[in-house]
Amino acid sequence: NAGVTQTPKFRILKIGQSMTLQCAQDMNHNYMYWYRQDPGMGLKLIYYSVGAGITDKGEVPNGYNVSRSTTEDFPLRLELAAPSQTSVYFCASSKADTQYFGPGTRLTVL
Amino acid sequence: DAKTTQPPSMDCAEGRAANLPCNHSTISGNEYVYWYRQIHSQGPQYIIHGLKNNETNEMASLIITEDRKSSTLILPHATLRDTAVYYCIVRVGGNAGNMLTFGGGTRLMVKP
Repeated sequence: NAGVTQTPKFRILKIGQSMTLQCAQDMNHNYMYWYRQDPGMGLKLIYYSVGAGITDKGEVPNGYNVSRSTTEDFPLRLELAAPSQTSVYFCASSKADTQYFGPGTRLTVL
Repeated sequence: DAKTTQPPSMDCAEGRAANLPCNHSTISGNEYVYWYRQIHSQGPQYIIHGLKNNETNEMASLIITEDRKSSTLILPHATLRDTAVYYCIVRVGGNAGNMLTFGGGTRLMVKP
């Protein structure tokens, strides 16, 4: 199993640009999550999904959108990038008590 | 979810046991204690969790006090690769939909 994969690993955006962060898991987990981590801080939940077609907001959803058309994929969309969205983004999935995290996407907005 | 308090940093000599404390004085009866760690620039990694009994797996041991208001994660023989930020998280168990709330964690530095 590849586990949780994320692409791209790094990205630099200009203010106002849009992009989609990709996340995929091959463990057949129903639950998937998106977190962001600012420098020196803990992770904060952006959005989560309990299954295909079902998503909900987390602690810091503003400026982001998600979709969940399949069990495997959970993309995160930034529509109008802002400097405040400079962060490392982690995707995770879970079936029971344990969350499995991807390697992260480091995003810089200039 | 109950809040947790951890020391911001700790040092440990390589080969010695690392004991990482966590206070969770407002923990509820149905809340579990989870430990994750994050090695530099990587995604967090699950270590162990427990409700009230002590737990042990191939990575670590978890000691929970009888009143459940505090716990200690023990890495029995710390190696340089155990250098990481360790997060103690309290949340209701048995439901994958319950989100993890990460605080500041403890930055463990294992030294040669």
